[in-house]
Amino acid sequence: QQQVKQSPQSLIVQKGGISIINCAYENTAFDYFPWYQQFPGKGPALLIAIRPDVSEKKEGRFTISFNKSAKQFSLHIMDSQPGDSATYFCAAGTGNNRKLIWGLGTSLAVNP
Amino acid sequence: DAGVTQSPTHLIKTRGQHVTLRCSPISGHKSVSWYQQVLGQGPQFIFQYYEKEERGRGNFPDRFSARQFPNYSSELNVNALLLGDSALYLCASSRHGREPYEQYFGPGTRLTVT
Repeated sequence: QQQVKQSPQSLIVQKGGISIINCAYENTAFDYFPWYQQFPGKGPALLIAIRPDVSEKKEGRFTISFNKSAKQFSLHIMDSQPGDSATYFCAAGTGNNRKLIWGLGTSLAVNP
Repeated sequence: DAGVTQSPTHLIKTRGQHVTLRCSPISGHKSVSWYQQVLGQGPQFIFQYYEKEERGRGNFPDRFSARQFPNYSSELNVNALLLGDSALYLCASSRHGREPYEQYFGPGTRLTVT
């Protein structure tokens, strides 16, 4: 059972363009939604995270949009750069056990 | 400050053997979580420890066990290795406080079972 569904599986964007990755969740008890960036051979790195009481959060070129009623959230990468080429994961968490449920990942390629 | 460290970086084992993976959290972090990441997939939660006590367990067989030491470092043990245990094993540390979910990951241990 995939509790967090992520799309698209892969994405190709031109340098300077906007990369958009979407996630949908089922469990309404989720109350924490982070995005992670992972380069080959490395561990995931926390990019940005949001709580359901906020509809949007921006940090630099990265923005999370959150739609509680639709149970969806998305990552927008503005002015995408070749260095952003990596795999991006959305995740969701609940309670105090710090267990994160992860999406399957999106492989982003930014062409120069 | 140093990030999360894991050892070894790579490991090759034979089916049926035992393996121990080690993790040192970020200084000041008291919680450690272990994840298994199969190639091409997202991490799957295995265990979470806080203050040396198990606080969460994922859907993994009893061949998987872990413990946390007084200095908050942790070990993940896997017995009777199967080919399907081949994966990147990730350790993540977090504080216990206002933002309990901010997990910071180490580089992982790449386990290959032949």
